[in-house]
Amino acid sequence: GQNIDQPTEMTATEGAIVQINCTYQTSGFNGLFWYQQHAGEAPTFLSYNVLDGLEEKGRFSSFLSRSKGYSYLLLKELQMKDSASYLCAVRGGNNRKLIWGLGTSLAVNP
Amino acid sequence: ETGVTQTPRHLVMGMTNKKSLKCEQHLGHNAMYWYKQSAKKPLELMFVYNFKEQTENNSVPSRFSPECPNSSHLFLHLHTLQPEDSALYLCASSQDQASGRYEQYFGPGTRLTVT
Repeated sequence: GQNIDQPTEMTATEGAIVQINCTYQTSGFNGLFWYQQHAGEAPTFLSYNVLDGLEEKGRFSSFLSRSKGYSYLLLKELQMKDSASYLCAVRGGNNRKLIWGLGTSLAVNP
Repeated sequence: ETGVTQTPRHLVMGMTNKKSLKCEQHLGHNAMYWYKQSAKKPLELMFVYNFKEQTENNSVPSRFSPECPNSSHLFLHLHTLQPEDSALYLCASSQDQASGRYEQYFGPGTRLTVT
């Protein structure tokens, strides 16, 4: 079957760096997505990894290790507006379906 | 502005009512999705349409009935719902369904409460 695990909650301080981990189990891996969702709003796309390594996009970076079934989202220079839920989603399986994690609720404190 | 709009944003309905949720995307995408988001549960994919054809129905009860008249519009018809159907219903679109690279763009959702 397919499964995604990520921490339920994290807290960090404004200006700091935080790493949100995601581990997954799937057959036929076909890409991993990170989305950000503020309370009461729609999820918005942050990053996509399909090959091993680090993808950097401004203050956000995403890393993938396919052999370990592991990804992380790295947020630098945290701002209060980064307080949100971060969703990890993996495309895999014979039908290449997108499976979603429960999300990690990040609270950024002053 | 995500390019995906949903109406209504909030809906309260009784178990015997019939209502419809509407989604419209202005991104020129060919795939559209309905998701259910409940507290403490991952996003649940309900239906997928690719080039106006339904390609996925993930064991959704028949009280939920999707309709996709064209690639830009998607409806979710609701009737005789149960209180446990109360949730946030999200619509999303992507370039198409088959390409792994293409991210999904979400609408703001409809907060549904069934009384």
